[in-house]
Amino acid sequence: GAGVSQSPSNKVTEKGKDVELRCDPISGHTALYWYRQSLGQGLEFLIYFQGNSAPDKSGLPSDRFSAERTGGSVSTLTIQRTQQEDSAVYLCASSSRGQGAGGYTFGSGTRLTVV
Amino acid sequence: GDSVTQMEGPVTLSEEAFLTINCTYTATGYPSLFWYVQYPGEGLQLLLKATKADDKGSNKGFEATYRKETTSFHLEKGSVQVSDSAVYFCALSGRGGGFKTIFGAGTRLFVKA
Repeated sequence: GAGVSQSPSNKVTEKGKDVELRCDPISGHTALYWYRQSLGQGLEFLIYFQGNSAPDKSGLPSDRFSAERTGGSVSTLTIQRTQQEDSAVYLCASSSRGQGAGGYTFGSGTRLTVV
Repeated sequence: GDSVTQMEGPVTLSEEAFLTINCTYTATGYPSLFWYVQYPGEGLQLLLKATKADDKGSNKGFEATYRKETTSFHLEKGSVQVSDSAVYFCALSGRGGGFKTIFGAGTRLFVKA
């Protein structure tokens, strides 16, 4: 597609429920990243996919968080048993160069609210 | 590990004022440096970048120069407009961070008419 597409744009969920957030990167971009932006805070790295390599999961805050990328394209971030502190904007980005030197293209994000 | 420190906001300026947002970094080797901008209600957009020492990135009247000796990448604009009101993020990508991009905390800019 022309840009990075994320869905849903907004999600309200009850504490304890599971949620899935979707990211559709720019066609041909081999690298895909998930970040989290909490209210008034900077961006927190979560996970990075590069081609068929094993993902860099070093930023995932707990084992309730997981992500997959199917066919080197669409990615899904899953949060199990959501907690109120999971409320944030989840941003996906992609780049054509895995080392990030060219800069990222970000999606508009999914605003997650856990009530 | 690699890190980015940028000045705290908010920064409030009148239209046509000069803007500087300070950014310094700590990194292994020679990272690429970026400024991203987030307008109200929108996602982050890459504003400008520099990939080696003494490079100057520029876009939309904004400039930043990669200063290796001071490990800085300050963002400047000679005359701001109301439409420049946004949050600005300094960022780097380098070996010390596993080549994923590390972001500063962001600086909110308000420009008054």
